[in-house]
Amino acid sequence: NAGVMQNPRHLVRRRGQEARLRCSPMKGHSHVYWYRQLPEEGLKFMVYLQKENIIDESGMPKERFSAEFPKEGPSILRIQQVVRGDSAAYFCASSPFETGGTLGQYFGPGTRLTVT
Amino acid sequence: DQQVKQNSPSLSVQEGRISILNCDYTNSMFDYFLWYKKYPAEGPTFLISISSIKDKNEDGRFTVFLNKSAKHLSLHIVPSQPGDSAVYFCAVKTQGGSEKLVFGKGTKLTVNP
Repeated sequence: NAGVMQNPRHLVRRRGQEARLRCSPMKGHSHVYWYRQLPEEGLKFMVYLQKENIIDESGMPKERFSAEFPKEGPSILRIQQVVRGDSAAYFCASSPFETGGTLGQYFGPGTRLTVT
Repeated sequence: DQQVKQNSPSLSVQEGRISILNCDYTNSMFDYFLWYKKYPAEGPTFLISISSIKDKNEDGRFTVFLNKSAKHLSLHIVPSQPGDSAVYFCAVKTQGGSEKLVFGKGTKLTVNP
């Protein structure tokens, strides 16, 4: 049973370019969460999605960032016009249902974004 | 404003001894508490959790203690093994609220052979 998959594992973008990060949840999981980890920091919640729905986007920056989880295919975190401050590790997690937090969300290996 | 604090950035312990990792939180609305373990270049791995109706939960070598009045929880690892060397994150959530987890900054544990 494959775990949460994220690609690419490493992504380098120049300032002003777009970054697309993909997350395939564990089989049977319909809830996806995105977190960002800056250097020397803990993980910070960004957004919580179910299939075709954004449930909680309270941690998403107001501009340039968007996320989706379509009916078919992976969840996508999209960052437009990247800036150096976007350089971080982005982690995706999934859970089978809403009590994912109590049973433990399952994390992918992360995508390390570097903006030059 | 940090809602979850792990005040020790690092901890070094001898193999076979006890490791104690601490975590403090500020919001009394938090009622579910989790510990994650993270190796370099990997995602966090769920370790153990506890709800606010308990004060202790044990799973093998790992025990989590919760002191609600002090808003403090701790993770005990006994006996510590070199393979336990990793960064440990404390995370909290509010049951019935958003499913988001609020993480501390982590404590890097080194277990020396």
